[in-house]
Amino acid sequence: GIQVEQSPPDLILQEGANSTLRCNFSDSVNNLQWFHQNPWGQLINLFYIPSGTKQNGRLSATTVATERYSLLYISSSQTTDSGVYFCAGDYTGANSKLTFGKGITLSVRP
Amino acid sequence: NAGVTQTPKFRVLKTGQSMTLLCAQDMNHEYMYWYRQDPGMGLRLIHYSVGEGTTAKGEVPDGYNVSRLKKQNFLLGLESAAPSQTSVYFCAAAQGVVNEKLFFGSGTQLSVL
Repeated sequence: GIQVEQSPPDLILQEGANSTLRCNFSDSVNNLQWFHQNPWGQLINLFYIPSGTKQNGRLSATTVATERYSLLYISSSQTTDSGVYFCAGDYTGANSKLTFGKGITLSVRP
Repeated sequence: NAGVTQTPKFRVLKTGQSMTLLCAQDMNHEYMYWYRQDPGMGLRLIHYSVGEGTTAKGEVPDGYNVSRLKKQNFLLGLESAAPSQTSVYFCAAAQGVVNEKLFFGSGTQLSVL
């Protein structure tokens, strides 16, 4: 199966700062998605982004499928952005499982 | 619109006991999944279903069974719980093709003593 690496593993920001979270895949992927797990454990789908760029408020994501990576941008961070960010994708050409990265823990300080 | 609902939210079992986790979705989605989340390991797929009456094994299926008798419900069973099954369990649903834009339930925290 594919390997998913997320970086950095941990990130501390001051409120108002911008950040970029990265997700690298070992092979071509389908169905790439970004999720946010809040401090209460709830998993929220942020983006379904197999390719291209999407924006939703202060968040945007870009996937370059041919180069096997995706980026999540957070602008003007807020304390409510704290939590763990996961990316996930599945292996091109197979009806296979969605593989998750181990997550990036973000702490936004007031 | 509740989305994906899991019951129970918390459960403590003794080794060898059995239990069933229920996942219900009101979005009429075809695909449903059970994941487990363990510290430092992300989410791992246990079993999934591509439609009513179908089930398939995921990455870590041993010790679990599932059933999808109705489209809106996906049940995860533990026949003889083991401490290694202590985890947080998440159910998810997706509409279009398998693995497309997953929506998760709020999770079930299970402890096996």
